Amino acid sequence: GENVGLHLPTLSVQEGDNSIINCAYSNSASDYFIWYKQESGKGPQFIIDIRSNMDKRQGQRVTVLLNKTVKHLSLQIAATQPGDSAVYFCAENIWGQNFVFGPGTRLSVLP
Amino acid sequence: ETGVTQTPRHLVMGMTNKKSLKCEQHLGHNAMYWYKQSAKKPLELMFVYNFKEQTENNSVPSRFSPECPNSSHLFLHLHTLQPEDSALYLCASSQDRQVNEQFFGPGTRLTVL
Repeated sequence: GENVGLHLPTLSVQEGDNSIINCAYSNSASDYFIWYKQESGKGPQFIIDIRSNMDKRQGQRVTVLLNKTVKHLSLQIAATQPGDSAVYFCAENIWGQNFVFGPGTRLSVLP
Repeated sequence: ETGVTQTPRHLVMGMTNKKSLKCEQHLGHNAMYWYKQSAKKPLELMFVYNFKEQTENNSVPSRFSPECPNSSHLFLHLHTLQPEDSALYLCASSQDRQVNEQFFGPGTRLTVL
């Protein structure tokens, strides 16, 4: 299948700073993307999604940006908090097909 | 909580044992999934059920046998596993196969000795 990858396997940020987690995808036909958060001992939890007809979508403290030209997806977390410490996955799919997940980036929030 | 529960949360078994993992979803969804999550690897899809029918077997060895008695319950029967099968097994559900968002359970941490 197509590869969905993350540029950085680990990311450490100071509490209160903004975090940016990146993801590259290779299937230009992918039309739907999700960011998941996985805390220790838990399953992945949906954070935010975006469809290919959009460039940006905002949630509560999170923003997802999609750059179809370079096949790049990013998750921005504003005012990062200790509770944001987790592994973050991006996932892509084409309507009705299976998701392809990235390997994950571990976000550590420093006090 | 996501509305998807899994039991047991932890399981240790020998290679000759037979055990089963259980997943239950309380969301009224019609599609359910088994994923394997190994260290340092992306999530791997194993099986997909839609309206109780298996629609996908992602080249999974026969020592893993899924069962879906109804749309709310999904089992993964395990027998003669190998140590490399040790992983976190995640169950997920979605409204149906055409709806993208999947809700995950907490997983079963499996260790094969």
